[in-house]
Amino acid sequence: DVKVTQSSRYLVKRTGEKVFLECVQDMDHENMFWYRQDPGLGLRLIYFSYDVKMKEKGDIPEGYSVSREKKERFSLILESASTNQTSMYLCASSWTGGTTFGSGTRLTVV
Amino acid sequence: GENVEQHPSTLSVQEGDSAVIKCTYSDSASNYFPWYKQELGKGPQLIIDIRSNVGEKKDQRIAVTLNKTAKHFSLHITETQPEDSAVYFCAASLMEYGNKLVFGAGTILRVKS
Repeated sequence: DVKVTQSSRYLVKRTGEKVFLECVQDMDHENMFWYRQDPGLGLRLIYFSYDVKMKEKGDIPEGYSVSREKKERFSLILESASTNQTSMYLCASSWTGGTTFGSGTRLTVV
Repeated sequence: GENVEQHPSTLSVQEGDSAVIKCTYSDSASNYFPWYKQELGKGPQLIIDIRSNVGEKKDQRIAVTLNKTAKHFSLHITETQPEDSAVYFCAASLMEYGNKLVFGAGTILRVKS
């Protein structure tokens, strides 16, 4: 089975901090994604990547950036964390057979 | 861009009854429609999917139907069990575009025993 691993389950950060969320997949998938999940809004796409060093903005990229230096790793960066970025963050990777999600990182910005 | 609407937002059924969740999409080019189940504290897990060249697909107690003309698709769960209680999400995408999924807002399903 494809495994998508997110480095942290829970994070608490202060306003203004730079935050890194890490994601690793073990199946050599080209496509990787970062989604944000909020109650009543479903999952919204922040950024995605089709290949190493390649990135495209999703629906809500403001306040975020990403990095993909290796095929298996896709990082989400909050340049200056704000309280409205408190949320559940989900990483995913995909192939023609479907999309697999990690367990999520619940980020609280105080 | 694509927009997916999902109804109802919450659904309570008695154990053994059927549950139906409905979604509509806006982009006629979308050709892949997965359904995900999310249990508390876990990431969404793919439970069934359907492609636009198929009208219906079944997997044991779960089935999905797709009406391309009306641009809607539905999840049917028969003989519901308490372990079916979870949040369910529908999604739509264009497979050729990297499978970028657009999700519905989710349905909280509660199965009462």
